[in-house]
Amino acid sequence: NAGVMQNPRHLVRRRGQEARLRCSPMKGHSHVYWYRQLPEEGLKFMVYLQKENIIDESGMPKERFSAEFPKEGPSILRIQQVVRGDSAAYFCASSPLKGLNTEAFFGQGTRLTVV
Amino acid sequence: QKEVEQDPGPLSVPEGAIVSLNCTYSNSAFQYFMWYRQYSRKGPELLMYTYSSGNKEDGRFTAQVDKSSKYISLFIRDSQPSDSATYLCATFSNFGNEKLTFGTGTRLTIIP
Repeated sequence: NAGVMQNPRHLVRRRGQEARLRCSPMKGHSHVYWYRQLPEEGLKFMVYLQKENIIDESGMPKERFSAEFPKEGPSILRIQQVVRGDSAAYFCASSPLKGLNTEAFFGQGTRLTVV
Repeated sequence: QKEVEQDPGPLSVPEGAIVSLNCTYSNSAFQYFMWYRQYSRKGPELLMYTYSSGNKEDGRFTAQVDKSSKYISLFIRDSQPSDSATYLCATFSNFGNEKLTFGTGTRLTIIP
């Protein structure tokens, strides 16, 4: 059973470009969470999604950031018009049930660098 | 004030020593307390979690929660160089609450 798969592992974008981060949850998991980890900071919650639904996006910046989890395919975190401050490690986690954080597994992360 | 405070370290101890890692939190609603280990350039992996107050032991690791003082601890006995990593505490209030609230992490190095 493969774990949570994130790709790409590393992503470099110029300021103003778009970044797309993908997360495939563990088999049997239909709940996905995205977290951002800035240097010297802990992980910060961004968004919680179920298939085809955004359940809680209270941690998402109001502009330029969006997330989706379609019926088929991975969850996508999209950052438009990236700025240097978006440089961070982005982690997704998946769990089999709503809010079952004790059974949530994290991926290896995507490290975004904006130059 | 951050909801979860954690000393970022770095913390260096000799191999075989007992390591004590600590966090404090401010929200009385938190009921589940978790410890993650994160190796460099990797994702966090759950070490153990505790519900409410009390102790939980798993091999060389012991987690403690004191809700009266809002203090959570992780002890590592007989520390090994392979324990060198960043340790993150995290909390959430109950099942159905989607957000994990993390501390900043403590970077630990075990010196052979």
